[in-house]
Amino acid sequence: DTEVTQTPKHLVMGMTNKKSLKCEQHMGHRAMYWYKQKAKKPPELMFVYSYEKLSINESVPSRFSPECPNSSLLNLHLHALQPEDSALYLCASSLGRVLAKNIQYFGAGTRLSVL
Amino acid sequence: DAKTTQPTSMDCAEGRAANLPCNHSTISGNEYVYWYRQIHSQGPQYIIHGLKNNETNEMASLIITEDRKSSTLILPHATLRDTAVYYCIVRVHFGTNAGKSTFGDGTTLTVKP
Repeated sequence: DTEVTQTPKHLVMGMTNKKSLKCEQHMGHRAMYWYKQKAKKPPELMFVYSYEKLSINESVPSRFSPECPNSSLLNLHLHALQPEDSALYLCASSLGRVLAKNIQYFGAGTRLSVL
Repeated sequence: DAKTTQPTSMDCAEGRAANLPCNHSTISGNEYVYWYRQIHSQGPQYIIHGLKNNETNEMASLIITEDRKSSTLILPHATLRDTAVYYCIVRVHFGTNAGKSTFGDGTTLTVKP
Protein backbone atom coordinates (compact mmCIF):
# COMPACT_ATOMS: atom_id res chain seq x y z
CA ASP A 1 0.00 0.00 0.00
CA THR A 2 1.50 3.33 -1.04
CA GLU A 3 -1.37 5.59 -0.02
CA VAL A 4 -1.02 9.16 1.13
CA THR A 5 -4.37 10.64 2.12
CA GLN A 6 -5.05 14.37 1.93
CA THR A 7 -8.08 16.18 3.28
CA PRO A 8 -10.04 18.11 2.30
CA LYS A 9 -10.01 17.53 -1.47
CA HIS A 10 -11.29 21.05 -2.11
CA LEU A 11 -11.19 24.17 0.03
CA VAL A 12 -12.49 27.68 -0.55
CA MET A 13 -11.43 30.34 1.93
CA GLY A 14 -11.49 34.07 2.32
CA MET A 15 -8.37 36.13 2.87
CA THR A 16 -9.12 36.56 6.57
CA ASN A 17 -9.87 32.90 7.30
CA LYS A 18 -7.72 30.37 9.10
CA LYS A 19 -7.82 26.83 7.75
CA SER A 20 -5.68 23.71 7.82
CA LEU A 21 -4.76 21.04 5.29
CA LYS A 22 -4.15 17.53 6.54
CA CYS A 23 -1.97 14.73 5.19
CA GLU A 24 -1.76 11.20 6.57
CA GLN A 25 0.26 8.09 5.73
CA HIS A 26 0.56 4.72 7.44
CA MET A 27 3.51 3.31 5.53
CA GLY A 28 6.03 3.94 8.31
CA HIS A 29 7.61 6.74 6.30
CA ARG A 30 9.74 9.20 8.29
CA ALA A 31 10.04 11.99 5.71
CA MET A 32 7.08 14.11 4.60
CA TYR A 33 6.80 16.96 2.13
CA TRP A 34 4.51 19.81 1.09
CA TYR A 35 4.46 20.99 -2.52
CA LYS A 36 2.50 23.74 -4.23
CA GLN A 37 1.38 23.36 -7.85
CA LYS A 38 -0.09 26.17 -9.92
CA ALA A 39 -2.13 25.37 -13.02
CA LYS A 40 -0.07 23.94 -15.90
CA LYS A 41 3.14 24.22 -13.85
CA PRO A 42 5.28 21.59 -12.11
CA PRO A 43 5.09 21.10 -8.33
CA GLU A 44 7.31 23.35 -6.25
CA LEU A 45 8.74 22.17 -2.96
CA MET A 46 7.65 24.13 0.12
CA PHE A 47 8.70 22.15 3.21
CA VAL A 48 10.45 18.91 4.13
CA TYR A 49 10.08 17.15 7.48
CA SER A 50 12.37 14.36 8.61
CA TYR A 51 11.64 12.44 11.80
CA GLU A 52 9.05 15.10 12.71
CA LYS A 53 11.59 17.93 12.48
CA LEU A 54 11.53 20.64 9.84
CA SER A 55 14.55 20.04 7.59
CA ILE A 56 13.94 22.30 4.60
CA ASN A 57 11.89 25.49 4.27
CA GLU A 58 12.04 26.88 0.74
CA SER A 59 11.59 30.50 1.88
CA VAL A 60 7.84 30.06 2.12
CA PRO A 61 5.85 33.09 3.45
CA SER A 62 4.89 32.86 7.12
CA ARG A 63 1.18 32.75 6.24
CA PHE A 64 1.89 29.05 5.57
CA SER A 65 2.75 27.22 8.78
CA PRO A 66 3.61 23.51 8.67
CA GLU A 67 3.29 21.12 11.57
CA CYS A 68 4.24 17.48 11.99
CA PRO A 69 2.61 16.27 15.23
CA ASN A 70 3.65 12.63 14.74
CA SER A 71 5.30 10.38 12.18
CA SER A 72 2.04 9.68 10.32
CA LEU A 73 0.54 13.15 10.16
CA LEU A 74 1.49 16.41 8.45
CA ASN A 75 -0.56 19.60 8.61
CA LEU A 76 -0.34 22.88 6.76
CA HIS A 77 -1.95 25.79 8.60
CA LEU A 78 -3.14 28.66 6.44
CA HIS A 79 -3.77 32.22 7.59
CA ALA A 80 -4.32 35.50 5.77
CA LEU A 81 -3.74 33.99 2.36
CA GLN A 82 -3.78 35.94 -0.89
CA PRO A 83 -5.69 35.07 -4.09
CA GLU A 84 -2.36 34.15 -5.74
CA ASP A 85 -2.00 31.35 -3.19
CA SER A 86 -4.79 29.49 -4.97
CA ALA A 87 -3.25 26.23 -6.16
CA LEU A 88 -3.15 22.45 -5.75
CA TYR A 89 -1.31 21.59 -2.54
CA LEU A 90 0.35 18.19 -2.65
CA CYS A 91 1.69 16.12 0.21
CA ALA A 92 4.26 13.38 -0.26
CA SER A 93 6.09 10.92 1.94
CA SER A 94 9.16 8.70 1.68
CA LEU A 95 10.93 6.16 3.87
CA GLY A 96 13.63 8.72 4.49
CA ARG A 97 15.41 11.62 2.84
CA VAL A 98 18.57 9.91 1.73
CA LEU A 99 19.70 7.45 -0.91
CA ALA A 100 17.36 4.61 -1.78
CA LYS A 101 14.80 5.68 0.81
CA ASN A 102 13.91 8.78 -1.16
CA ILE A 103 11.12 7.51 -3.43
CA GLN A 104 8.35 9.99 -2.69
CA TYR A 105 4.71 8.93 -2.86
CA PHE A 106 2.17 11.67 -3.43
CA GLY A 107 -1.37 12.23 -2.27
CA ALA A 108 -4.10 13.42 -4.63
CA GLY A 109 -3.82 16.97 -3.32
CA THR A 110 -6.06 19.68 -1.90
CA ARG A 111 -7.33 22.20 -4.43
CA LEU A 112 -7.38 25.55 -2.65
CA SER A 113 -9.20 28.66 -3.83
CA VAL A 114 -8.64 31.94 -2.00
CA LEU A 115 -11.33 34.57 -2.59
CA ASP B 1 20.37 23.45 -7.99
CA ALA B 2 20.31 21.41 -11.18
CA LYS B 3 17.73 22.32 -13.82
CA THR B 4 15.99 19.95 -16.18
CA THR B 5 14.75 20.67 -19.69
CA GLN B 6 12.08 18.63 -21.44
CA PRO B 7 10.14 19.00 -24.70
CA THR B 8 6.73 20.52 -24.12
CA SER B 9 4.74 17.80 -25.86
CA MET B 10 5.07 14.52 -27.75
CA ASP B 11 2.72 12.14 -29.53
CA CYS B 12 3.02 8.37 -29.69
CA ALA B 13 1.01 5.69 -31.46
CA GLU B 14 -0.65 3.11 -29.23
CA GLY B 15 1.47 -0.04 -28.95
CA ARG B 16 4.67 1.72 -29.97
CA ALA B 17 7.54 2.70 -27.71
CA ALA B 18 7.47 6.22 -26.27
CA ASN B 19 10.90 7.80 -25.77
CA LEU B 20 10.87 10.90 -23.57
CA PRO B 21 14.14 12.88 -23.39
CA CYS B 22 15.40 15.09 -20.58
CA ASN B 23 18.43 17.32 -20.34
CA HIS B 24 20.04 17.84 -16.91
CA SER B 25 23.47 19.12 -17.84
CA THR B 26 24.14 20.74 -14.43
CA ILE B 27 23.38 17.63 -12.36
CA SER B 28 25.74 17.13 -9.44
CA GLY B 29 27.20 13.99 -7.93
CA ASN B 30 24.69 13.81 -5.09
CA GLU B 31 21.63 14.03 -7.35
CA TYR B 32 19.64 11.20 -8.84
CA VAL B 33 17.33 11.35 -11.85
CA TYR B 34 13.67 10.52 -11.17
CA TRP B 35 10.69 10.28 -13.48
CA TYR B 36 7.10 10.80 -12.38
CA ARG B 37 3.86 11.22 -14.30
CA GLN B 38 0.72 13.13 -13.47
CA ILE B 39 -2.72 12.38 -14.86
CA HIS B 40 -5.62 14.86 -14.74
CA SER B 41 -4.15 16.88 -11.83
CA GLN B 42 -3.94 13.84 -9.59
CA GLY B 43 -0.83 13.49 -7.47
CA PRO B 44 2.34 12.62 -9.37
CA GLN B 45 3.01 8.89 -9.69
CA TYR B 46 6.53 7.47 -9.32
CA ILE B 47 7.86 5.66 -12.41
CA ILE B 48 11.58 5.00 -12.07
CA HIS B 49 14.87 6.50 -10.90
CA GLY B 50 18.61 6.05 -11.38
CA LEU B 51 22.05 7.44 -10.66
CA LYS B 52 24.25 6.48 -13.60
CA ASN B 53 23.33 3.01 -14.74
CA ASN B 54 20.41 2.09 -16.95
CA GLU B 55 17.40 0.91 -14.99
CA THR B 56 14.31 -1.11 -15.85
CA ASN B 57 11.18 -1.95 -13.92
CA GLU B 58 7.70 -3.17 -14.76
CA MET B 59 6.61 0.27 -15.95
CA ALA B 60 9.54 1.65 -17.92
CA SER B 61 13.25 1.79 -18.71
CA LEU B 62 15.60 4.65 -17.92
CA ILE B 63 18.69 5.31 -20.01
CA ILE B 64 21.21 7.76 -18.51
CA THR B 65 24.13 8.95 -20.61
CA GLU B 66 27.63 8.19 -19.37
CA ASP B 67 28.27 11.87 -18.53
CA ARG B 68 24.88 11.96 -16.73
CA LYS B 69 23.89 15.15 -18.55
CA SER B 70 20.79 13.67 -20.12
CA SER B 71 18.41 10.75 -19.84
CA THR B 72 15.58 9.07 -21.72
CA LEU B 73 12.49 7.45 -20.28
CA ILE B 74 11.19 4.59 -22.41
CA LEU B 75 7.65 3.26 -22.19
CA PRO B 76 8.02 0.08 -24.26
CA HIS B 77 4.41 -0.39 -25.40
CA ALA B 78 2.42 2.79 -24.85
CA THR B 79 -1.31 2.52 -24.15
CA LEU B 80 -4.00 5.19 -24.08
CA ARG B 81 -3.78 5.16 -20.27
CA ASP B 82 -0.17 6.39 -20.53
CA THR B 83 -1.42 9.79 -21.72
CA ALA B 84 -0.14 12.14 -19.00
CA VAL B 85 2.37 14.84 -18.14
CA TYR B 86 5.78 13.25 -17.53
CA TYR B 87 8.18 15.03 -15.20
CA CYS B 88 11.94 14.59 -15.17
CA ILE B 89 13.30 15.46 -11.74
CA VAL B 90 16.71 15.71 -10.14
CA ARG B 91 16.63 14.93 -6.45
CA VAL B 92 19.34 15.43 -3.85
CA HIS B 93 20.12 12.11 -2.22
CA PHE B 94 22.43 13.06 0.63
CA GLY B 95 23.65 16.09 2.51
CA THR B 96 21.80 19.01 4.03
CA ASN B 97 19.37 19.27 1.13
CA ALA B 98 18.57 15.56 0.91
CA GLY B 99 15.02 15.12 -0.35
CA LYS B 100 14.98 18.39 -2.28
CA SER B 101 13.59 17.95 -5.79
CA THR B 102 13.79 20.17 -8.85
CA PHE B 103 11.06 19.39 -11.39
CA GLY B 104 11.31 20.06 -15.11
CA ASP B 105 8.33 21.72 -16.80
CA GLY B 106 7.13 18.32 -17.98
CA THR B 107 6.33 16.69 -21.31
CA THR B 108 2.68 16.14 -22.19
CA LEU B 109 2.60 12.72 -23.83
CA THR B 110 -0.47 11.97 -25.90
CA VAL B 111 -0.91 8.35 -26.96
CA LYS B 112 -3.10 8.07 -30.03
CA PRO B 113 -5.07 5.04 -31.26
